[in-house]
Amino acid sequence: GAGVSQSPRYKVAKRGQDVALRCDPISGHVSLFWYQQALGQGPEFLTYFQNEAQLDKSGLPSDRFFAERPEGSVSTLKIQRTQQEDSAVYLCASSLLAGRLFFGEGSRLTVL
Amino acid sequence: DQQVKQNSPSLSVQEGRISILNCDYTNSMFDYFLWYKKYPAEGPTFLISISSIKDKNEDGRFTVFLNKSAKHLSLHIVPSQPGDSAVYFCAASGASGGSNYKLTFGKGTLLTVNP
Repeated sequence: GAGVSQSPRYKVAKRGQDVALRCDPISGHVSLFWYQQALGQGPEFLTYFQNEAQLDKSGLPSDRFFAERPEGSVSTLKIQRTQQEDSAVYLCASSLLAGRLFFGEGSRLTVL
Repeated sequence: DQQVKQNSPSLSVQEGRISILNCDYTNSMFDYFLWYKKYPAEGPTFLISISSIKDKNEDGRFTVFLNKSAKHLSLHIVPSQPGDSAVYFCAASGASGGSNYKLTFGKGTLLTVNP
């Protein structure tokens, strides 16, 4: 497809479960970002990749959060031992030039 | 501590009139500002941006104004159309220190344009 694709669109997890969220960026986009958007808030930066290199993971809220992009294309955000406060929409974005991001539709995670 | 603030959670405007959405920032290192528009169940889409070397940027019905001394920017939509009804996010980044990739977003303003 032409845009950023994320899956699953919706995920319900029991507290303590591990989840994996996938992002397919726009072809040729070297930069990939993950953002977390809690209800009623703006997106908040989690992590940034340039190709396969994770250049910034300063926004990851805890060591339960892990992101990878092993071949410089598809990325996975993994959350271990989910907690209720992890409930949010997780947005993936890609870009050619820094600053102008193209966002996917997001993965809405609900932790019960 | 919020570095980008959108103090109006919502705004209602009549079709054909001007919509003005406001945004304030506190970090003087920010030098690139963007507006994103978001429809329900969709990701944010880029609308318009402005560099700190400018005080105005225009694209069709959309104009962004930047007042650096006041650390304030605004988005003007003229004329407003019902299809403009969405949440508008103000975002900022700073090129200093290589952090131009990391956008800081406001909480958003829900614009409703009434027919």
